[in-house]
Amino acid sequence: KAGVTQTPRYLIKTRGQQVTLSCSPISGHRSVSWYQQTPGQGLQFLFEYFSETQRNKGNFPGRFSGRQFSNSRSEMNVSTLELGDSALYLCASSLDSRTSYEQYFGPGTRLTVT
Amino acid sequence: AQTVTQSQPEMSVQEAETVTLSCTYDTSESDYYLFWYKQPPSRQMILVIRQEAYKQQNATENRFSVNFQKAAKSFSLKISDSQLGDAAMYFCAYIGNAGNMLTFGGGTRLMVKP
Repeated sequence: KAGVTQTPRYLIKTRGQQVTLSCSPISGHRSVSWYQQTPGQGLQFLFEYFSETQRNKGNFPGRFSGRQFSNSRSEMNVSTLELGDSALYLCASSLDSRTSYEQYFGPGTRLTVT
Repeated sequence: AQTVTQSQPEMSVQEAETVTLSCTYDTSESDYYLFWYKQPPSRQMILVIRQEAYKQQNATENRFSVNFQKAAKSFSLKISDSQLGDAAMYFCAYIGNAGNMLTFGGGTRLMVKP
């Protein structure tokens, strides 16, 4: 099976712009979660989508949003970018079965805000 | 809220030797999952091993094994016969009843000396 894919891999934006990141989960996986990784804050949970519905949300401002499509692909959007949004954004997919909560990660999108 | 703590920011080990990475967590839940993830310099997060809280037997995956002490809320990772390819950041992570959202520790950077 193909792994989790994320596009683009690298992105440079300026303050005030918005950005959309994309994630394609492993075939058959219905849950997609997003994480932000920074040197200062470490790995932090952004949100999780399952069957096109946001099921969980982390402690991030409303500028961070996401959605999931019927084929389980997910996008996250950050509006009005700030310098502090520079980070590696990781997407993870899982089956979401009660027998397994294993999450498999994509390579990430490196976002730089200037 | 659950917290995960990795008290060793950096560790080093000689090739072919054994090293143990520490992780403690705090939770009031009785049913949860614990994971160790590896993030090499290429940035792709890889699942190393998982442990279900209800299982008393420690998980093992080839050279990787855990020491799960539920009462002490401790979850350490032992790497036997260390190889150069084991050099990476290692993250301990927790999933509980809130659903598919991982809570990560701050990570331990493992260096392997030839």
